[in-house]
Amino acid sequence: AQRVTQPEKLLSVFKGAPVELKCNYSYSGSPELFWYVQYSRQRLQLLLRHISRESIKGFTADLNKGETSFHLKKPFAQEEDSAMYYCALASGTYKYIFGTGTRLKVLA
Amino acid sequence: NAGVTQTPKFQVLKTGQSMTLQCAQDMNHEYMSWYRQDPGMGLRLIHYSVGAGITDQGEVPNGYNVSRSTTEDFPLRLLSAAPSQTSVYFCASGRNNSPLHFGNGTRLTVT
Repeated sequence: AQRVTQPEKLLSVFKGAPVELKCNYSYSGSPELFWYVQYSRQRLQLLLRHISRESIKGFTADLNKGETSFHLKKPFAQEEDSAMYYCALASGTYKYIFGTGTRLKVLA
Repeated sequence: NAGVTQTPKFQVLKTGQSMTLQCAQDMNHEYMSWYRQDPGMGLRLIHYSVGAGITDQGEVPNGYNVSRSTTEDFPLRLLSAAPSQTSVYFCASGRNNSPLHFGNGTRLTVT
């Protein structure tokens, strides 16, 4: 079955510390993977997609097909990074699967 | 370019009342969908559409109805509101295998 797993509901880190938000997926084909961010009471916004291989707001994510993972990383967390983060997979025809999300809290 | 527009932003209903949540997009996306967001449960797909005249059920369709008469609009109808439908509802649109664009959400409370 196709699935996206985000094992941490809440991740708290101190400002300046490295951040890694975990995402594992289950999919037999070649997935399109995304990270979305949702700041407090706002819409979900696309943060990254794996095919673009770019860094947005200091975040990067590498697709590891061997480990079926797409972890989101940032070397130095900032307070404004506090938000809800969703990993998502697009598979086949118009099929989108979201993880349950990880709330990141960056402590001063 | 407005993107995805949802109305209303907030709504309070009494049990048994019906209402329609509106969603419109101006990006000519063929795909549109409705999600509900509940604490600890992430986003759950209610209904989706891959084009005008085509709709299908998602993960949690019971108690909701949709139609897609135009490419731009995808309203969500609550037939008889229940407290379990208290949630934040998001509309999203996109093209196949491309990122979804989300609306600002509708915060619904059913008393």
